[in-house]
Amino acid sequence: GDSVTQMEGPVTLSEEAFLTINCTYTATGYPSLFWYVQYPGEGLQLLLKATKADDKGSNKGFEATYRKETTSFHLEKGSVQVSDSAVYFCALSARSGSARQLTFGSGTQLTVLP
Amino acid sequence: DGGITQSPKYLFRKEGQNVTLSCEQNLNHDAMYWYRQDPGQGLRLIYYSQIVNDFQKGDIAEGYSVSREKKESFPLTVTSAQKNPTAFYLCASSQRAGGPDTGELFFGEGSRLTVL
Repeated sequence: GDSVTQMEGPVTLSEEAFLTINCTYTATGYPSLFWYVQYPGEGLQLLLKATKADDKGSNKGFEATYRKETTSFHLEKGSVQVSDSAVYFCALSARSGSARQLTFGSGTQLTVLP
Repeated sequence: DGGITQSPKYLFRKEGQNVTLSCEQNLNHDAMYWYRQDPGQGLRLIYYSQIVNDFQKGDIAEGYSVSREKKESFPLTVTSAQKNPTAFYLCASSQRAGGPDTGELFFGEGSRLTVL
């Protein structure tokens, strides 16, 4: 079945540091890939997405590129802020026509220190 | 403002009691979902519904029940059969099932259930 593997956290960085959160996936077909963010005590919000190979999703300074050859979708940000502290989830959606096919990784806790 | 409203935000239950979590959306979305989140784990799908009066079991449906009598509402009942119900429950919706935006979920703020 489909699966998503994220780097284990927690990750602690100083403000303005470079961020990478690794995400690799296993899926049949051609999935869409997503990063969701969860701020403390809240639900998840879609951060960015990519629907086909070599697509780059970007939002709020975060970027991720859909790499089919390495089955990866790593999240990056050049300069993190304290307000980026949250849990980040990588997810994939198989293009199977089914409503349920969103598979989440286990999440990576990011803490940014001032 | 359009969105998803979950209630209550916090809920305490004694063992052996059923409890119902509310989820309402005004986004006119066809599909709705319930996920369970445990510390340090990803989200696990409990139930989902693609249209009114229809729903399917997810990966961890045992001990839970749902209904979808109206498009905007998808309540979740945690029954006494659920062995470990203490968790954070998230409701979500998406515009339509199987469409090109599959995977673009809109989440509520969650309900935290604690069994005493």
